[in-house]
Amino acid sequence: QVQLQQWGAGLLKPSETLSLTCAVYGGSFSGYYWSWIRQPPGKGLEWIGEINHSGSTNYNPSLKSRVTISVDTSKNQFSLKLSSVTAADTAVYYCARLGRGVVPAAKGIYYYYYMDVWGKGTTVTVSS
Amino acid sequence: QSVLTQPPSVSAAPGQKVTISCSGSSSNIGNNYVSWYQQLPGTAPKLLIYDNNKRPSGIPDRFSGSKSGTSATLGITGLQTGDEADYYCGTWDSSLSAAVFGGGTQLTVL
Repeated sequence: QVQLQQWGAGLLKPSETLSLTCAVYGGSFSGYYWSWIRQPPGKGLEWIGEINHSGSTNYNPSLKSRVTISVDTSKNQFSLKLSSVTAADTAVYYCARLGRGVVPAAKGIYYYYYMDVWGKGTTVTVSS
Repeated sequence: QSVLTQPPSVSAAPGQKVTISCSGSSSNIGNNYVSWYQQLPGTAPKLLIYDNNKRPSGIPDRFSGSKSGTSATLGITGLQTGDEADYYCGTWDSSLSAAVFGGGTQLTVL
């Protein structure tokens, strides 16, 4: 049974860098992509980005300039850094395992993309 | 403003059936697979449906998913009070090169 355990600083001041880590227990690490998602208070889900065991990343274009996701395969961990935070970055941040890939279709390719295992979330508040 | 559009809320009585819609475009739902998530109050989202209509192990068959064109639908039959939660649709957007979600639908079981 795969479990994700996440941690990091919960209170930041504006302009500081958010830093979170997610550890993977009980399953394969190298066979999957891993992702960060956030949820502002009372709002919906926002995808931040993804990484695989080789360090290949994709980021949400709206956050790309401030986001870095990295991986430590020796510890089965991946991490999120978000720089220059503001109050708008206040949210619950989740790590998740991804099911992702492509399926050939008559008119091109279809992507499948879902989060099948989630961490419990870390509340991050940005306030002066 | 979410890329995928869901109704803010739906409601139904215990034992009844409810459907939740998710509308998108050709760059997301129209040409990619859809997933659905249940978020109980104060907890992390949980995968309910993936690849449009597949259920992960442990998800009861009261939950179903379908897709037609650029819209997808989550169906829940035999509603229980424990189904009260927020439900989100998600998929990959090939134009944005990003995963996208709907704004969420709050289900109330009256």
